[in-house]
Amino acid sequence: DAKTTQPTSMDCAEGRAANLPCNHSTISGNEYVYWYRQIHSQGPQYIIHGLKNNETNEMASLIITEDRKSSTLILPHATLRDTAVYYCIVRKADSGNTPLVFGKGTRLSVIA
Amino acid sequence: ETGVTQSPTHLIKTRGQQVTLRCSSQSGHNTVSWYQQALGQGPQFIFQYYREEENGRGNFPPRFSGLQFPNYSSELNVNALELDDSALYLCASSFWARALNGYTFGSGTRLTVV
Repeated sequence: DAKTTQPTSMDCAEGRAANLPCNHSTISGNEYVYWYRQIHSQGPQYIIHGLKNNETNEMASLIITEDRKSSTLILPHATLRDTAVYYCIVRKADSGNTPLVFGKGTRLSVIA
Repeated sequence: ETGVTQSPTHLIKTRGQQVTLRCSSQSGHNTVSWYQQALGQGPQFIFQYYREEENGRGNFPPRFSGLQFPNYSSELNVNALELDDSALYLCASSFWARALNGYTFGSGTRLTVV
């Protein structure tokens, strides 16, 4: 079972920041927070991951609370192409044999 | 670098038949995982292959089997198809020692069992 809780759906106006929350209250010290998104009819796409520090890349920013029990994915200027299902996943840091456990994710609709 | 490619994109099979789905991993990746995604659900882990051996399996019956080849490509085989096997089957590749960097997924094969 997924170890994360996300809202079922969210709307965001085009050009505004999209803030997607995720609760992972049972996260362990050696587990990372990953975010993927899945645009309709495509496979999931990796966005970003982090352990305890905030992270930023060309796609998004990840803010992790100090107690690591929740996080927020931020898309700074949402576009219509960001409409997708966003998955927050907690995964152990190891050499590679821990699979991704997906929940149902958050369906983000970016509205013109 | 090329991404993950899957074939075929769509497939219709009859209950009881067998099916083989194929996946070519991203250049430089040596690990392949397979996921099943039912309509409206998140992807569910089937199994993972590394060094041509199964290395981890989700809650799927033995009629789901796979192979990994020396060039790191992979096949997913499903025997005795059931109606509930209708789903999008996703392949993902990664590099074992750098799995922290995330997986690259293909666009999937849509299997319909009638």
